[in-house]
Amino acid sequence: GAVVSQHPSWVICKSGTSVKIECRSLDFQATTMFWYRQFPKQSLMLMATSNEGSKATYEQGVEKDKFLINHASLTLSTLTVTSAHPEDSSFYICSAYRGRTGELFFGEGSRLTVL
Amino acid sequence: SQKIEQNSEALNIQEGKTATLTCNYTNYSPAYLQWYRQDPGRGPVFLLLIRENEKEKRKERLKVTFDTTLKQSLFHITASQPADSATYLCALEGPRGTSGTYKYIFGTGTRLKVLA
Repeated sequence: GAVVSQHPSWVICKSGTSVKIECRSLDFQATTMFWYRQFPKQSLMLMATSNEGSKATYEQGVEKDKFLINHASLTLSTLTVTSAHPEDSSFYICSAYRGRTGELFFGEGSRLTVL
Repeated sequence: SQKIEQNSEALNIQEGKTATLTCNYTNYSPAYLQWYRQDPGRGPVFLLLIRENEKEKRKERLKVTFDTTLKQSLFHITASQPADSATYLCALEGPRGTSGTYKYIFGTGTRLKVLA
């Protein structure tokens, strides 16, 4: 299957700092990428849809100023958690949508811990 | 709104047996439905996609069925192995986003444990 690389796989930061997570589609061009958040033993919660060259579309209840998404190229989308607080601690996962086949390919996820 | 129901209780089966996992949805029938495997602390891995006009899809030891009348998909793993132990997620398309791309809705997943 296609490969989606997500980095960093885990990060610990102090409250008030910002953290950037990168998501790269390595073997196909992804005009659309999705960002999810997952709490323990819960399903994936869609945060936003990232479209190359345009503004991200955020789901209801997700603060766009808190979770900045940039999709500057067909292979890279970034999620920046700004002024992180302990309640932002979670597992963040990106996915790249391959429209030709309708498949979603996921990154390995990034575990964020805010102290 | 569309909801997906998967058995949240863990499923324990003996090695060699067939595991059957259920995914029920409540609203409209999607054009296609997908199954993913997720290991602890990892991102989901795509397994199979089945379209609404397909009754059944197979891939090696995996089989997926899709019954739009029952609004249900069944996911089977035959000759199960301890390495098949993981959480299996069902996903189907949600409403189209403003970009025209379907957003996917995921179930909570069913944890499968295959006992040696």
